[in-house]
Amino acid sequence: DGGITQSPKYLFRKEGQNVTLSCEQNLNHDAMYWYRQDPGQGLRLIYYSQIVNDFQKGDIAEGYSVSREKKESFPLTVTSAQKNPTAFYLCASSSPVLFRAAGANVLTFGAGSRLTVL
Amino acid sequence: QKEVEQDPGPLSVPEGAIVSLNCTYSNSAFQYFMWYRQYSRKGPELLMYTYSSGNKEDGRFTAQVDKSSKYISLFIRDSQPSDSATYLCAMSATQGAQKLVFGQGTRLTINP
Repeated sequence: DGGITQSPKYLFRKEGQNVTLSCEQNLNHDAMYWYRQDPGQGLRLIYYSQIVNDFQKGDIAEGYSVSREKKESFPLTVTSAQKNPTAFYLCASSSPVLFRAAGANVLTFGAGSRLTVL
Repeated sequence: QKEVEQDPGPLSVPEGAIVSLNCTYSNSAFQYFMWYRQYSRKGPELLMYTYSSGNKEDGRFTAQVDKSSKYISLFIRDSQPSDSATYLCAMSATQGAQKLVFGQGTRLTINP
């Protein structure tokens, strides 16, 4: 089945450590996204990538880094510079083909990774 | 002021009730409107979408957009316990998903 796989599902980190969240998709989608979800805040865009080897900052990119070396993979690193990293992180993907077919911004999400800083 | 406001709830209703979920927004350029449903500890999934103003119906779900009032609604008829989830509105001015703005989400519980 096609979909997005995020790992790990739960992650604990000590202050001052960098951690990397994995996101892999087998949907052949061109674009991939990272969102952060906090209670009462909705989803906020961290980074997005429309093609391999290219990515753009979203609304809350500070303290995060990404890479897009392969179409299928878009890992997110939460660095020690992120002041409040405890959150639920969601990876998503989309395709221009889906946009044209649906006429809408169709995002497919992974199941999320919950990061807790101890 | 947030671009998109959504009452976070929680909202609890009996099974079979009609549920109304709402979002208001401030950016008059928004013209693509979506509703995502998110079950506990899962990622959101697209439920419905509309372009510009008007109504759209899909089974027990109806999405309504009133651009003059900058207000969108999702109605659920004959609500079921399986509808218990968090509902997120999302909108954008362009068709590209990178410009989506999400509401805070409303947590809904349907009681048997």
